[in-house]
Amino acid sequence: QKEVEQDPGPLSVPEGAIVSLNCTYSNSAFQYFMWYRQYSRKGPELLMYTYSSGNKEDGRFTAQVDKSSKYISLFIRDSQPSDSATYLCATPHGSGNTGKLIFGQGTTLQVKP
Amino acid sequence: EPEVTQTPSHQVTQMGQEVILRCVPISNHLYFYWYRQILGQKVEFLVSFYNNEISEKSEIFDDQFSVERPDGSNFTLKIRSTKLEDSAMYFCASRDGGGVETQYFGPGTRLLVL
Repeated sequence: QKEVEQDPGPLSVPEGAIVSLNCTYSNSAFQYFMWYRQYSRKGPELLMYTYSSGNKEDGRFTAQVDKSSKYISLFIRDSQPSDSATYLCATPHGSGNTGKLIFGQGTTLQVKP
Repeated sequence: EPEVTQTPSHQVTQMGQEVILRCVPISNHLYFYWYRQILGQKVEFLVSFYNNEISEKSEIFDDQFSVERPDGSNFTLKIRSTKLEDSAMYFCASRDGGGVETQYFGPGTRLLVL
């Protein structure tokens, strides 16, 4: 069983739509969750991180964690063409305090003007 | 805003040659990482480095790979004898060692082995 799974998409939405991006994870020991945005052929850029179950909001972005179902979501409100990118969920999990990140496959989002 | 930088942005090499990929992490960060991403695949962890030694490495990080922090600012990944399957994007990342384990990534080095 893969540790972190994402539907790779692609997901295509019109400008202004609400976007929902999702991940599932298998290990209940995972505690922190991050969302990274990756533009084509660029490095991952940290968007948000969450620790506990519940919601965390930052501007147009809301991250949600449901630890009971091992489900992570990122919502984008009023999506813009500049949001077109691949969105990666990740969780740190390493021996000791190494904090190595385990990534999902990434979901490719296209926001059409 | 501080950022992780990497050089070169692109590297083309012949199979069997040695390559060194360079990174300058964010200056007050304590933990350093290398990841790679083969085209169309997941970002994969290679190695983590803390207190001047490797703290964890993946199965990918075999004897052909080594890392070094030769001075207070640079962090390097060396591949001794490159293989075709080493062709990938290599990302350096760093974090400050605080309570939240968020890592900041560099722009990557695209390595092509011919």
